[in-house]
Amino acid sequence: SQQGEEDPQALSIQEGENATMNCSYKTSINNLQWYRQNSGRGLVHLILIRSNEREKHSGRLRVTLDTSKKSSSLLITASRAADTASYFCATDNGNNRLAFGKGNQVVVIP
Amino acid sequence: DARVTQTPRHKVTEMGQEVTMRCQPILGHNTVFWYRQTMMQGLELLAYFRNRAPLDDSGMPKDRFSAEMPDATLATLKIQPSEPRDSAVYFCASGFHPGDTQYFGPGTRLTVL
Repeated sequence: SQQGEEDPQALSIQEGENATMNCSYKTSINNLQWYRQNSGRGLVHLILIRSNEREKHSGRLRVTLDTSKKSSSLLITASRAADTASYFCATDNGNNRLAFGKGNQVVVIP
Repeated sequence: DARVTQTPRHKVTEMGQEVTMRCQPILGHNTVFWYRQTMMQGLELLAYFRNRAPLDDSGMPKDRFSAEMPDATLATLKIQPSEPRDSAVYFCASGFHPGDTQYFGPGTRLTVL
């Protein structure tokens, strides 16, 4: 089944810097979503971008989608220690489920 | 603030014992998912329900796992008999449509000795 793949798989940055992570997928999609998971917790939905959208913002988050390249990026601006988490992309390709990637570990150093 | 709840949060059991995990989806959500997360395999979809009917349980080992939704407020995942390789965190999630936003519970951390 299709699965998003996040890149880089691990990222360490200083507080205040921007963090960018990418997700690639293989087949056409209806939407792509980003989730955050703090250690020991469930996943939390961050943002959903539909296939006919190219960019979306939510607070300090900016998501882009390039369907021609089958890729998406998540930008976290002015990172904070609380942004330390794993970030997952998930794709809906119309088969009534989301396909999750393996996640991207982000560490923000205070 | 509506949330998905799961019980128990932690479970330690011995190999061969039955394990039952429970999930209360967000009121009004008609789609419920069960996932398993391990370091090696990542997040795996085990089964999901739409309007309480099982739509897909192909991700579950059928001989030992079973998932049910006896009413709209309760979903259960049972393992019988449990094995050490079942040790993982099990998440329940709910939503309005399988391909839209999913709301995850806090998970049940299962350890099978």
